[in-house]
Amino acid sequence: AQTVTQSQPEMSVQEAETVTLSCTYDTSENNYYLFWYKQPPSRQMILVIRQEAYKQQNATENRFSVNFQKAAKSFSLKISDSQLGDTAMYFCAIARGGSQGNLIFGKGTKLSVKP
Amino acid sequence: KAGVTQTPRYLIKTRGQQVTLSCSPISGHRSVSWYQQTPGQGLQFLFEYFSETQRNKGNFPGRFSGRQFSNSRSEMNVSTLELGDSALYLCASSLSGTPSEAFFGQGTRLTVV
Repeated sequence: AQTVTQSQPEMSVQEAETVTLSCTYDTSENNYYLFWYKQPPSRQMILVIRQEAYKQQNATENRFSVNFQKAAKSFSLKISDSQLGDTAMYFCAIARGGSQGNLIFGKGTKLSVKP
Repeated sequence: KAGVTQTPRYLIKTRGQQVTLSCSPISGHRSVSWYQQTPGQGLQFLFEYFSETQRNKGNFPGRFSGRQFSNSRSEMNVSTLELGDSALYLCASSLSGTPSEAFFGQGTRLTVV
C-alpha cells in the first residue's frame, strides 16, 4: 500500500518570501511518480509539479521546485518569491508508474500568503 | 481546448435519494477517474474508467457506481444517499489513464440533508 503524510496542516508566508511544504511517503513500488497539486478556492485541482522516482534530478517549474530524497522517502515543495495567488491548499500525492495507477493524496497543507 | 467539465457544480439531495454526477473529459482523453474529497477523509479514489470499462476501483461500498459512454463521458451514481456522502466529487481525465497526465475538473459539491 502507498501512503502520503503531510505534517503541516497550515502554513503562512509573507509575499515575496520563500516557503517549504513537507511531504513524506511510503511505497513498495520501484516505479512511481510524486506530485504536488494546488487547490485554490475555485476547487479545481491544479498540477504544480511532478517527479519521476527514477530521476535523481529534482524537478523545477518556474518558482516551484522540489527536494526529492528517495532514501528518506521525502518530497518537499519549495515556493520562491511567494505571490498572493499562491494562497491555496497544497496536496502531495503518489501514484505507481504506468497506466492504471490512481493517485494517493496526503491530507493537505493550507498555505496563506500575506501581503 | 476545453478542460474537464463536471455538472452540476452544486447539488442538494435528501437522505435515501440517489444522485448522478457527470464528467466530460478533455477531447481525445479516454480515461476518467473519480475522487471523493471530504474534510475528514481527504481525497480518496473511487474508480477509473477506460474505453467504457471499469479498470480500477477504490474501497467504496457498492452504492457508488459509474459508467462511461462511447464518447468517453462518464457518470457516477450514488444510491441510497447517506449524510456522510456529502463531499466534493472530482473527476480527472487523461489520455491513457496515467496519473502523471491527469487533468481535473472543478468538481461537484454534493450536500446530503
